[in-house]
Amino acid sequence: EVQLVESGGDLVQPGGSLRLSCAASGFTFSNYWMHWVRQAPGKGLVWVSRIDDDGSTTTYADSVKGRFTISRDNAKNTLYLQMNSLRAEDTAVYFCARFPTKEYYFDYWGQGTLVTVSS
Amino acid sequence: EIVMTQSPATLSVSPGESATLSCRASQSLSGNLAWYQQKPGQAPRLLIYDASTRATGIPARFSGSGSETKFTLTISSLQSEDFAIYYCQQYNNWPPWTFGRGTKVEIK
Repeated sequence: EVQLVESGGDLVQPGGSLRLSCAASGFTFSNYWMHWVRQAPGKGLVWVSRIDDDGSTTTYADSVKGRFTISRDNAKNTLYLQMNSLRAEDTAVYFCARFPTKEYYFDYWGQGTLVTVSS
Repeated sequence: EIVMTQSPATLSVSPGESATLSCRASQSLSGNLAWYQQKPGQAPRLLIYDASTRATGIPARFSGSGSETKFTLTISSLQSEDFAIYYCQQYNNWPPWTFGRGTKVEIK
């Protein structure tokens, strides 16, 4: 069974940093592109970042470019999101999600972890 | 960036009736569109990909159609578990991968 379990969400002050993790199981993690998608309270889904299967290519939404870094450890089956210079508008539930092989929609999602940026 | 517009924002439907949700793209997508269902406090769930292909385990009462810039998700004979928010997502031109703002299907 495919499972994605996020962790690391917390309350952080504006300008602060946080690292999110997503532990994957039930599939060969190193074969899949992985993503972070966020959802502000009461709002819709917004794609944040993606990393290809071997970690060689990363892409970011303009809103987080230069502040967030996506990475992965295929030996540990874990995806990460390092979030720096956090702003109030980064407050959201952050989901990790998977693309099926050679497809570009999200077939599995984690349950999400809440990041709150507030003083 | 491709902008996705969903309508209506809220749809009130009685159980057993059908619901038709619309999604429009600002550019042609060919058939590169997915639909997701999200219930409160839960992760999104893939329903439809390639505009009309049901994902594994999705009941036949969910159907998708459309091409180019106009797409529809139809839920026939709504069950209690179908009341949720539905999002469309394009994957024709990326990055970014973009979602619509969602349609909430509520009990009438």
